This record gives sequence, structure tokens and C-alpha cells, in this order.
Amino acid sequence: NAGVMQNPRHLVRRRGQEARLRCSPMKGHSHVYWYRQLPEEGLKFMVYLQKENIIDESGMPKERFSAEFPKEGPSILRIQQVVRGDSAAYFCASSPWPREENDEQFFGPGTRLTVL
Amino acid sequence: QKEVEQNSGPLSVPEGAIASLNCTYSDRGSQSFFWYRQYSGKSPELIMFIYSNGDKEDGRFTAQLNKASQYVSLLIRDSQPSDSATYLCAVVMDSNYQLIWGAGTKLIIKP
Repeated sequence: NAGVMQNPRHLVRRRGQEARLRCSPMKGHSHVYWYRQLPEEGLKFMVYLQKENIIDESGMPKERFSAEFPKEGPSILRIQQVVRGDSAAYFCASSPWPREENDEQFFGPGTRLTVL
Repeated sequence: QKEVEQNSGPLSVPEGAIASLNCTYSDRGSQSFFWYRQYSGKSPELIMFIYSNGDKEDGRFTAQLNKASQYVSLLIRDSQPSDSATYLCAVVMDSNYQLIWGAGTKLIIKP
């Protein structure tokens, strides 16, 4: 299966704990995007990364949230000291090196985070 | 402010009819336009993309792009109950090729 992989699919954390979400892009894709979706709401862009580089993090909260996409291994979205408001579905998408007429994004199945 | 606007719905269409979904965008220089479908509890999946003015057909789906009026639409012919989902419009507006997303239109096909 060459699709975008995310794990875990479901994650339960207590307030104050850390959540670590992983995303492996499609084979051949070098760009990763993270989105958050609250119940009954639209997708909210969080961060856009390529290998070892953050391109745009304008949608990510300044505190407690961080993202990385190392040279080897999956992209990681890390949420420190989680609060109930962090409960949401977190989607990762990937694309090849984007250029005109080759810029569609392909989504993983998402990680559903529940904060108790 | 770069924006993509969609009517949130729900849009209710009888089975077999044509469903028409609309999307407007703020940046006249936008390059690429996408329609994604998202079933409840699932991730978005790409159903159509369009780059040039005019119509693009794929099976029961037709995307229509009018750059002068800054809108893109999606028509679904012979609507089926399985088409009931939220339809997300996304537009590339800058040289980073980053997608700007609409909030989605919830479509309900009534048997």
C-alpha cells in the first residue's frame, strides 16, 4: 500500500500529557501538510513541511504545538500538555514536489485525538 | 486575505437529479482548483481537479471553472444516496502551491 500512512488512528490522552502523531507520506512525496478538523467543522491548515524544513507554520498555535519532518522517518506532529480543546481529527496530506498542474494533495486516514 | 467561500448547506437534492455545488475564491491569480469529497468520519479524497477555464467531465462529475468571475463549480449528474457527503473546494493561490480550503458544502441526496 503506497498511500499516506498515519498512526495511531486513535489516541486518548489525559489533560497535561503529550500527544505524538506520525505521518508517512506516499512514496516519492517530499511535502507534508498537517490539518486539524473539529467535529462538524472544516479543515484548518496547520503546517506545511518538506524534508528537514518548515515551509509555512502560520496555522499552528504558537505554544504547545510543534512539527518536524526529518531526513529519515515520518513527519511528527507533537502536542505538549494537551487540553480538551485539542480533541479533533488530525489529517496529514502529502504531495510530490509541487509545481503547476502537479499540486494535488493526498490524505491519510487521520488520527483522532481524544483528550479526557 | 486569501479566501475560498462555499455555502455550508446542507444542500438537499432528490435522487437522480443534478447536484450543483459552488465555490468562489478571492485571488484572481489562482492557478489550480480541486474538489474533494469527505464522508463523515473519513479523510478527504480527491474527486476532480481543473486548471483551465471551461468544463471538465469525469463520469457523473463535471467541474466548471470561470476565472473571470472567480468561481468553480461541481455538478453531479444522476445523484445517488452514496454521493451524500461534504464537498470541499480547494484552490492554489500562491507560488508555494499551498491549498486554500473552503469550509465545505454538506450534500444530502434523498432517495
